[in-house]
Amino acid sequence: AQSVAQPEDQVNVAEGNPLTVKCTYSVSGNPYLFWYVQYPNRGLQFLLKYITGDNLVKGSYGFEAEFNKSQTSFHLKKPSALVSDSALYFCAVRDRGYQKVTFGTGTKLQVIP
Amino acid sequence: KAGVTQTPRYLIKTRGQQVTLSCSPISGHRSVSWYQQTPGQGLQFLFEYFSETQRNKGNFPGRFSGRQFSNSRSEMNVSTLELGDSALYLCASSSGQGRGNYGYTFGSGTRLTVV
Repeated sequence: AQSVAQPEDQVNVAEGNPLTVKCTYSVSGNPYLFWYVQYPNRGLQFLLKYITGDNLVKGSYGFEAEFNKSQTSFHLKKPSALVSDSALYFCAVRDRGYQKVTFGTGTKLQVIP
Repeated sequence: KAGVTQTPRYLIKTRGQQVTLSCSPISGHRSVSWYQQTPGQGLQFLFEYFSETQRNKGNFPGRFSGRQFSNSRSEMNVSTLELGDSALYLCASSSGQGRGNYGYTFGSGTRLTVV
């Protein structure tokens, strides 16, 4: 069975500092990996995905994520955090042969002015 | 193109009642998945429909059911509502197969409150 772990319930970072939101996964075979962001009382918005190729994936709003196969990780990063980045972030994984997408429990990012 | 449309946005029901939620996927998408989101449990997978057939199912009781129509619109139904069913119900649309079937587009959700 596939699974996703987001070890931090909340991450606090000062505005202008780099941020990292951690994600590790477990899946048989090569994964599809995703990051989504959720603002209060809204659905999830797609940020970026890893399908194949370059391990560093660039996405929306200046976010990027690095796929590390040996560590089964897909951490979300941004060089300089904005207050408007404060939201709930979800990592997700899908097995290439299986349609269901499994989500992590979410990490609340708080950017402090 | 239009996004994923969920109706209604907000709903208040009484314990024991039943409720039906609707989701219209992105045009051309044949897969609709449903998730329940609560503060304590996070995002829990309910079921996925593809071409009018239930393709995957999560670990929810039989009170939770769904269906998909020939135009790919989907409904989910919850019968005999319990207080614990209060949640944000999210619908996700995807192509469902083949190249480009990489992820979901979500609707804004239906906030169900059971009193």
